[in-house]
Amino acid sequence: NAGVTQTPKFQVLKTGQSMTLQCAQDMNHEYMSWYRQDPGMGLRLIHYSVGAGITDQGEVPNGYNVSRSTTEDFPLRLLSAAPSQTSVYFCASKDRGQNSNEQYFGPGTRLTVT
Amino acid sequence: AQTVTQSQPEMSVQEAETVTLSCTYDTSESDYYLFWYKQPPSRQMILVIRQEAYKQQNATENRFSVNFQKAAKSFSLKISDSQLGDAAMYFCAYRSPNGGATNKLIFGTGTLLAVQP
Repeated sequence: NAGVTQTPKFQVLKTGQSMTLQCAQDMNHEYMSWYRQDPGMGLRLIHYSVGAGITDQGEVPNGYNVSRSTTEDFPLRLLSAAPSQTSVYFCASKDRGQNSNEQYFGPGTRLTVT
Repeated sequence: AQTVTQSQPEMSVQEAETVTLSCTYDTSESDYYLFWYKQPPSRQMILVIRQEAYKQQNATENRFSVNFQKAAKSFSLKISDSQLGDAAMYFCAYRSPNGGATNKLIFGTGTLLAVQP
């Protein structure tokens, strides 16, 4: 299994540009989520999905859209990038059930918006 | 709302020595899960150890152990026989079992651990 994969690893955008961060997992996990990591703030939840066709907002959703058309993929879209979205983005997945404790993280995408 | 606090932004330890990283949390729930994640320079988030709040016994994984004090809402990580490869950012995280669909992890701000040879 490849686990959770994210592309690209690095990206530089100009203010106002749009892009999609890709996330895929091959573990048939129902739960997937996006976090952003900023210095001194830990990781914060942006959006999450509990299964194909179902998404919801996390703690810091503004400026981001998501969709979940398949179990495997959970892309994160920035429609009009802003410097405040400069961050490291992590995708994570988890099997269903409260007893499945471990969330698997992707390697992260470092995004810089100039 | 639950919060997680890591009061030590940076720590340093000599190789082969023991170090303890602190974490406190605030919650009104009686059952929950606590985690320590390691983030080396590669950025990969690696689960180090987890603790279920209903278990009184402290979790242990090889050189890593926790001191879980439920009444004090404290969850410290002890690293014994520190190795150079332990140098990383360490995050404490909380998850509510009653969070429904979110499975949201609430993270502390992290402690950067340096290991001196």
